[in-house]
Amino acid sequence: VQLLESGGGAVQPGGSLRLSCVASGFTFDDYTMHWVRQLPGKGLEWVSLVVWDGGKTYYADSVKGRFTVSRDNRKNTLYLEMNSLRPEDSAWYHCGKDYGGRDYGALDIWGQGAKVTVSS
Amino acid sequence: SYVLTQPPSVSLAPGKTARITCGGNNIGGKSVHWYQQRPGQAPVLVIYYDSDRPSGIPERFSGSNSGNTATLTISRVEAEDEADYFCQVWDNNSDHVLFGGGTKLTVL
Repeated sequence: VQLLESGGGAVQPGGSLRLSCVASGFTFDDYTMHWVRQLPGKGLEWVSLVVWDGGKTYYADSVKGRFTVSRDNRKNTLYLEMNSLRPEDSAWYHCGKDYGGRDYGALDIWGQGAKVTVSS
Repeated sequence: SYVLTQPPSVSLAPGKTARITCGGNNIGGKSVHWYQQRPGQAPVLVIYYDSDRPSGIPERFSGSNSGNTATLTISRVEAEDEADYFCQVWDNNSDHVLFGGGTKLTVL
């Protein structure tokens, strides 16, 4: 069971990046998926989630209107399109698999993360 | 907005019992999940839905949730338990996942 992120890098303020997260070892389209970010030496900040079929998405207030989460179940891949990036978006971005219980949020599998740096 | 409050740090000797709290308004009415994060590693789920333990997590880890406080208890603390611990809930009023600020557990 594994999640592998890619697409991180350095970008100037106002720029865009797209992160990908490829899943393996479980039935991807059975589960809600999340993005969570972590500033170096800081805590965890939830970014977004998408339900199993892409029919519902939710976003943190700090990224709403700038970031878009999506998934391609044929490719077992989760995406995060990030636009209008700001220096405060600089962080490690992890994808996570939801356990699938009665509420959203128990992330039982995490990727190692993709580093995003927004700087001029 | 809903806020989860954790103590920044907890320190204790090996073999003792660590209790890490997560405070929130009527948190007992929500489901709480706990994560362990060692330096340079991704978080690991150690307790979900207040008190369930994923396979592979030692029985020394347990959780409870009532009133305004959820608690992660680590019995017979070992050096390998030294890590940051985060609590987390789903807030269905805001449709947001929320994390506590994290607690650094130091094993003396």
